[in-house]
Amino acid sequence: EAGVTQSPRYAVLQEGQAVSFWCDPISGHDTLYWYQQPRDQGPQLLVYFRDEAVIDNSQLPSDRFSAVRPKGTNSTLKIQSAKQGDTATYLCASSLGGSAETLYFGSGTRLTVL
Amino acid sequence: EQQVQQSPASLVLQEAENAELQCSFSIFTNQVQWFYQRPGGRLVSLLYNPSGTKQSGRLTSTTVIKERRSSLHISSSQITDSGTYLCAMERTNYGSSGNKLIFGIGTLLSVKP
Repeated sequence: EAGVTQSPRYAVLQEGQAVSFWCDPISGHDTLYWYQQPRDQGPQLLVYFRDEAVIDNSQLPSDRFSAVRPKGTNSTLKIQSAKQGDTATYLCASSLGGSAETLYFGSGTRLTVL
Repeated sequence: EQQVQQSPASLVLQEAENAELQCSFSIFTNQVQWFYQRPGGRLVSLLYNPSGTKQSGRLTSTTVIKERRSSLHISSSQITDSGTYLCAMERTNYGSSGNKLIFGIGTLLSVKP
């Protein structure tokens, strides 16, 4: 069974540039999460979906970040105008029915904003 | 406020020694999970332990929910155990479906030969 797939693996930007991250969850997993993990910190939830619906995006900086999951499968997280403070690893995870017991993470996208 | 506190922040062991990692929560939770992460690697779930004691190989987790704490015991450590161990609590998303995990900063474990 394929795991959670993320791309790109790395991204390096200048401040003000835009970037998109892509996630392909485990087949059949209805719940998809995006986490931000700054260096030497734990992951912090940005947004999560159940199928195509956003369940919680309260921690997503809405002025510059957006996330979609239009068909309830793959998802894209976009940063419109990156800042140095956005430097972090962006993790995607998926689970079945929101259960922590079936939660699997992707390898992440490591973003550096210069 | 850091809702999940982990200690120690880092730990160095000699191979074959045991380790005890601690996790505490500032708010009530009814589900606790331990994860492992190698530098640059993906997060891997080790133990899902809502309460009591759970064991998986050389790992034993003990959670006392009413005291808002959990521990992870690693016995007979190996060099390959080196990495970061993260504790997470599940926070019920009242008013919506599904829950979310709140992570601690982690304990960085280094096992030397």
